Amino acid sequence: DADVTQTPRNRITKTGKRIMLECSQTKGHDRMYWYRQDPGLGLRLIYYSFDVKDINKGEISDGYSVSRQAQAKFSLSLESAIPNQTALYFCATSHGGTDTQYFGPGTRLTVL
Amino acid sequence: GQQLNQSPQSMFIQEGEDVSMNCTSSSIFNTWLWYKQDPGEGPVLLIALYKAGELTSNGRLTAQFGITRKDSFLNISASIPSDVGIYFCAGRKSGGSNYKLTFGKGTLLTVNP
Repeated sequence: DADVTQTPRNRITKTGKRIMLECSQTKGHDRMYWYRQDPGLGLRLIYYSFDVKDINKGEISDGYSVSRQAQAKFSLSLESAIPNQTALYFCATSHGGTDTQYFGPGTRLTVL
Repeated sequence: GQQLNQSPQSMFIQEGEDVSMNCTSSSIFNTWLWYKQDPGEGPVLLIALYKAGELTSNGRLTAQFGITRKDSFLNISASIPSDVGIYFCAGRKSGGSNYKLTFGKGTLLTVNP
């Protein structure tokens, strides 16, 4: 079984809709992250969380919000989706000791 | 945000050839990571380097943490078709922002059978 899972794997939605992407991990890591990947731009950090009560903005947090429901769960919400949020979204986890990040399989989001 | 300079951007090679790619930065990093990403999947960690000068192997893959701490190299020996994918380097600094990884833009590797 995968250590980091993301749901859904693919989603098509319309402009203005609220969308939630979910991430779960069984690695026992305390730190979790959300990235988006766009062609030519690489991976960019949206939000990160060091524990359940610690949430921080990354490079590109505008238009996004997150919730850390438990140590193992970290969800990303788009309150009102817009077309330029079409991208691949990845969740990652790490242990505070080494901070080596392990990625989930990704969610491909298309906003029409 | 800051990016690492990763080169080459793409490579087309024949099966059996060796491959080299590298990442450079104007900043010092305390950790270098190499990931591989298959189409439609998340990056998978290949090798992690934690000390300057460190040379680490994982099967046919070998990576080195540069002595200056501003660069890292990844070599793949005797390439096979399943090596196809995008290879990313990532660096991490120490200190208050030690969570943050800085990523290269990737090297797209194509292996012709």
